[in-house]
Amino acid sequence: DTGVSQDPRHKITKRGQNVTFRCDPISEHNRLYWYRQTLGQGPEFLTYFQNEAQLEKSRLLSDRFSAERPKGSFSTLEIQRTEQGDSAMYLCASSLGPGVGSPLHFGNGTRLTVT
Amino acid sequence: AQSVTQLGSHVSVSEGALVLLRCNYSSSVPPYLFWYVQYPNQGLQLLLKYTTGATLVKGINGFEAEFKKSETSFHLTKPSAHMSDAAEYFCAVSGGSGGSYIPTFGRGTSLIVHP
Repeated sequence: DTGVSQDPRHKITKRGQNVTFRCDPISEHNRLYWYRQTLGQGPEFLTYFQNEAQLEKSRLLSDRFSAERPKGSFSTLEIQRTEQGDSAMYLCASSLGPGVGSPLHFGNGTRLTVT
Repeated sequence: AQSVTQLGSHVSVSEGALVLLRCNYSSSVPPYLFWYVQYPNQGLQLLLKYTTGATLVKGINGFEAEFKKSETSFHLTKPSAHMSDAAEYFCAVSGGSGGSYIPTFGRGTSLIVHP
């Protein structure tokens, strides 16, 4: 168990640029989640994959956001035409299904700053 | 939709004192409940979870929580605070009414430990 890894740890970009983040989950975990966390808040759900299928997306996820999980392994989260309001910590987590009670294993996040 | 409410955005205690962090959930069906801890610039780490069975759950680092259905609560306690316990703590819920796989997090409580 090498844990969930996220890359990069920090990203500074100018408004209007596109950014892409990568998440490598724990290898045997079939579920993968993306959350966004702003200062002083709890993680807010963005999207969820079971294997390679994206099963749920939050209303927070505007059409500028897209996520993929090809072959059910790593995942990428892309933000197009970034805005200052996108500045946040983006957290990836994985878990092992089936069942509802499986805890999440989080990566250390990617902190995005949009200038 | 299920949700959790964490009372108090900040809790301050002296080293050696009792720690009590409050969490109430909203669900007509008993859900799965979790407490996570987050240290600065890191992801969340699972402290403990309640799924079924014993209502008093013991976790890591001396923390425990009690599921009280009548009060819809899952408060986190530790008998004696240590300086290293200073962190952000999040309560989360999944399952329950609707049976969502997607954990929903509270806004968090920052634990401050004074020497």
